[in-house]
Amino acid sequence: AQSVAQPEDQVNVAEGNPLTVKCTYSVSGNPYLFWYVQYPNRGLQFLLKYITGDNLVKGSYGFEAEFNKSQTSFHLKKPSALVSDSALYFCAVSPSTGNQFYFGTGTSLTVIP
Amino acid sequence: DTAVSQTPKYLVTQMGNDKSIKCEQNLGHDTMYWYKQDSKKFLKIMFSYNNKELIINETVPNRFSPKSPDKAHLNLHINSLELGDSAVYFCASSQGPGREEAFGSGTRLTVV
Repeated sequence: AQSVAQPEDQVNVAEGNPLTVKCTYSVSGNPYLFWYVQYPNRGLQFLLKYITGDNLVKGSYGFEAEFNKSQTSFHLKKPSALVSDSALYFCAVSPSTGNQFYFGTGTSLTVIP
Repeated sequence: DTAVSQTPKYLVTQMGNDKSIKCEQNLGHDTMYWYKQDSKKFLKIMFSYNNKELIINETVPNRFSPKSPDKAHLNLHINSLELGDSAVYFCASSQGPGREEAFGSGTRLTVV
């Protein structure tokens, strides 16, 4: 069965410190990988994606993500967290064929001033 | 111009009523989706249409019926509303494999 795991419901980090939000997946083949952010009372916004190529992907708002094929992981990172980064983050995986997206359960990030 | 727009934004209704949520996208995408986000913020796919054809139909009560009059619109009709239907419903669209989804701002449905 296809699945996406975000093992941490909540991540707290001090402003200015690096942050990591973890994601692992179990999807057959070579799937496409995505990160989305959801601010309160808003829809999900696309941050970045991995299709192929360089394992380190850069996205919006200074975020980046590292793809690790052997560990089937796609962790979201940022070198220096801002208070405004506080939000709910979703990892999503899409098989290379078909139109389905599998979402993780979300990780709530709180950046402490 | 809003890329994916849903109406209404809020919907409060009594148990047993029938209601519809409308979704329109102006991105020219071929695929549209309905998701349900529950009170724990879990996101669950309900339906997906590609060029007006139903391609994903997850296990949802048959009280929920999607309708796609054209590839830019995907509406969700719900019959005999129940308390457990209270959630935020999101519409999304994408251009296909490898392409990210664009989400609407959601419809908060409250059944009383």
